[in-house]
Amino acid sequence: DSGVTQTPKHLITATGQRVTLRCSPRSGDLSVYWYQQSLDQGLQFLIQYYNGEERAKGNILERFSAQQFPDLHSELNLSSLELGDSALYFCASSVVHRGGTEAFFGQGTRLTVV
Amino acid sequence: GIQVEQSPPDLILQEGANSTLRCNFSDSVNNLQWFHQNPWGQLINLFYIPSGTKQNGRLSATTVATERYSLLYISSSQTTDSGVYFCAVSRRDNQGGKLIFGQGTELSVKP
Repeated sequence: DSGVTQTPKHLITATGQRVTLRCSPRSGDLSVYWYQQSLDQGLQFLIQYYNGEERAKGNILERFSAQQFPDLHSELNLSSLELGDSALYFCASSVVHRGGTEAFFGQGTRLTVV
Repeated sequence: GIQVEQSPPDLILQEGANSTLRCNFSDSVNNLQWFHQNPWGQLINLFYIPSGTKQNGRLSATTVATERYSLLYISSSQTTDSGVYFCAVSRRDNQGGKLIFGQGTELSVKP
């Protein structure tokens, strides 16, 4: 168990709908990262929050948004869903080592858009 | 951006065999991690190893940062070792620690 909690584990929804994925980082970790794993794109970084503020942005679509709340949990909102958004979405939090950071991943949310 | 290449892309082993997985990266990094994605999709941390050598049971890893590569050794493989092994790095000048993943090595261990 990595200590990062993601809900729900599975989600099936229709095209055009909106969903919210939730993540609780490990106790004490201030950073939350969201990644998408799809068959054609592999594992890709979407967005990072640090202590409530957006820190870095990757290839995140405009239809997607995220936020981190004062209790440090984060939500990833996906709207106007398309078939191609079907993927495994991971949340991670990180611990700082001297010179770098080590990431720990949640179990993922498997999103299926039908 | 930084490129991460893993080899081989696929590997089939008999139980008990040893294997070496390789990860090459194109720029200086301050983080390198190896993960195992099991058949249920979970990403399990194996090693945080930006440089040097570490061992954990039947697994060990070595990163030679100056030559921009890392190796993951699996000895006496078991069927439970099956899955995809990912190498991921973050750049030395990167703010925040976002990881860039390789495409993975898919390992299948046959009984």
